[in-house]
Amino acid sequence: QVQLVDSGGGVVQPGRALRLSCAASGFTFGTNAMHWVRQAPGKGLEWVAVISYDGSIEYYADSVKGRFTISRDKSKNTLYLQMNSLSTEDTAVYYCARSPDLASCGGDCYSLDYWGQGTLVTVSS
Amino acid sequence: DIQLTQSPSFLSASVGDRVTITCRASQGISSYLAWYQQKPGKAPKLLIYAASTLQSGVPSRFSGSRSGTEFTLTISSLQPEDFATYYCQQLNSYPITFGQGTRLEIK
Repeated sequence: QVQLVDSGGGVVQPGRALRLSCAASGFTFGTNAMHWVRQAPGKGLEWVAVISYDGSIEYYADSVKGRFTISRDKSKNTLYLQMNSLSTEDTAVYYCARSPDLASCGGDCYSLDYWGQGTLVTVSS
Repeated sequence: DIQLTQSPSFLSASVGDRVTITCRASQGISSYLAWYQQKPGKAPKLLIYAASTLQSGVPSRFSGSRSGTEFTLTISSLQPEDFATYYCQQLNSYPITFGQGTRLEIK
């Protein structure tokens, strides 16, 4: 079964860096785009970044552009989010999520069909 | 960026009620809209994609529809496990955006 396990969260001071990981299993990792989505305490969902199935294309939310980098390692079936220059506004639970393989659904299943359990990042001095 | 406006933000209903949540997009997004359910302390769960296609394993009391840039999520007969927060999401263009959420509580 598809499983995504988020890790790497913790307490970090403003201006410092942190790298999150998402270990994927139960599917062919190299066939799906992958996303990061975050949720500040008591707030709604905010999309953060996406990386294409082969790692060649990335998009970011304006709020993290230039500070965060999404990447993937096919050999380790792992997705990453490198977060630099963190601010208190980055405090949130971070979820990795999978886009379905569009070839498996006739090309219209745009969505995030599986999610990790989330990892909490707290930026505080 | 495409804005999604959900209404209502808060909804109080009883078991067995029929409820509808609306999501309006600030511009055309075709049918690239998904709905998610989130319970406290848990990751979101995909309910519907392509505006009206039920995700595998989701009960048939959930349904979605589209009229232009207005989308609706309907729960035909509320069950106790349906009390949660619901979000719409557009995947027509980047940046992907979510609605602000609708919190569904027991009356």
